[in-house]
Amino acid sequence: KNEVEQSPQNLTAQEGEFITINCSYSVGISALHWLQQHPGGGIVSLFMLSSGKKKHGRLIATINIQEKHSSLHITASHPRDSAVYICAVRSGNNDMRFGAGTRLTVKP
Amino acid sequence: DTAVSQTPKYLVTQMGNDKSIKCEQNLGHDTMYWYKQDSKKFLKIMFSYNNKELIINETVPNRFSPKSPDKAHLNLHINSLELGDSAVYFCASSERARGYTFGSGTRLTVV
Repeated sequence: KNEVEQSPQNLTAQEGEFITINCSYSVGISALHWLQQHPGGGIVSLFMLSSGKKKHGRLIATINIQEKHSSLHITASHPRDSAVYICAVRSGNNDMRFGAGTRLTVKP
Repeated sequence: DTAVSQTPKYLVTQMGNDKSIKCEQNLGHDTMYWYKQDSKKFLKIMFSYNNKELIINETVPNRFSPKSPDKAHLNLHINSLELGDSAVYFCASSERARGYTFGSGTRLTVV
């Protein structure tokens, strides 16, 4: 079993829908990252969280340290949000463990 | 200006060859990393360098060796390439307690 589990694995939504991607982890962490990988392959760091909630535009990321769980929300989704979203956790020694990713497709 | 740049973007080579992938960052970050993304799109860390010291080395074959001539560069050398080495390799950098910046990736195909 992977130390970082994401759900769902694949997600298809209509433009404008509210989207939630979940991440659960089983190791102690110093930070959790949400990454976005577009079809072209490039990886962009969206958020780094160690507690609470962060918002950037239409994206919101939350983390519950006690429950070892994080969510990434996208409000008013758009076809350009179509990408693979990857949850990654960093442990105290700077080691990074990755989830398998959630493939999001937003249809117009 | 590209913050983390990798070269080459594509690399096709025969089994048994030795190849290098270069990575440079102009962000002044203190740590650089190499990640491998396999055919199932699963990312896994290979190495990280902090101030020229290797601080992580996962169970990576010793055919892979990172070389960091200075804080802004972390090159990846691969000896005796095997078919299973085919993957996309990403370089990244970070400053302690801050987010990561990734390079655009190098798609390595071993034939």
